[in-house]
Amino acid sequence: EVQLVESGGGLVQPGGSLRLSCAASGFTFSSYAMSWVRQAPGKGLEWVSGISGGAGSTYYADSVEGRFTISRDSSKNTLFLQVNSLRAEDTAVYYCARGMKTIDYWGQGTLVTVSS
Amino acid sequence: QSAVTQPPSASGSPGQSVTISCTGTSTDVGTYNYVSWYQQHPGKAPKLVIYEVSKRPSGVPDRFSGSKSGNTASLTVSGLQAEDEGDYYCGSYAGNKGVFGGGTKLTVL
Repeated sequence: EVQLVESGGGLVQPGGSLRLSCAASGFTFSSYAMSWVRQAPGKGLEWVSGISGGAGSTYYADSVEGRFTISRDSSKNTLFLQVNSLRAEDTAVYYCARGMKTIDYWGQGTLVTVSS
Repeated sequence: QSAVTQPPSASGSPGQSVTISCTGTSTDVGTYNYVSWYQQHPGKAPKLVIYEVSKRPSGVPDRFSGSKSGNTASLTVSGLQAEDEGDYYCGSYAGNKGVFGGGTKLTVL
């Protein structure tokens, strides 16, 4: 059974940083591209970032380019998202998801709240 | 980043059919056959119901079907059931990026 479990969210002040993690199990992690997708409270889904299976390629939405960094540790079956220079508009549930061209499995999400 | 447009709401009575549209551009929906549809219930993670325009994942009822013409993809839910109520999002690959529609709230009357 595919499982994706996010952690690392919380309350952070504007300008602050967090490192989100996603523990993956139930599939060959290194064989799949992975994505982060966020959902602001009461709003729709927004694709944030993606990374290839071999981690050779990373991709970002224009809204986070230069502030967020996606990475993966295939020895630990873990996906990361380093989020820096946080703004109020980054407040959202951040979902870890398997795939990029097709996202087929989602974690339950971790809430990031940016507020002073 | 491109914007993909969905109607904000749709509705139908039990047993009826409803179709939700997803209009993108030539840089996403119109070019790639990587169009997916997701169902989301309140407080839950999205669930994949259609991928690659018209394919159904294992376990998704055949009441759910997808299609695409030009820059517009569509999701049809036939034989509506109460449990189909929720938010539906289309998603498309856009060449090294992903893009989602704004979502459609489906109400089963």
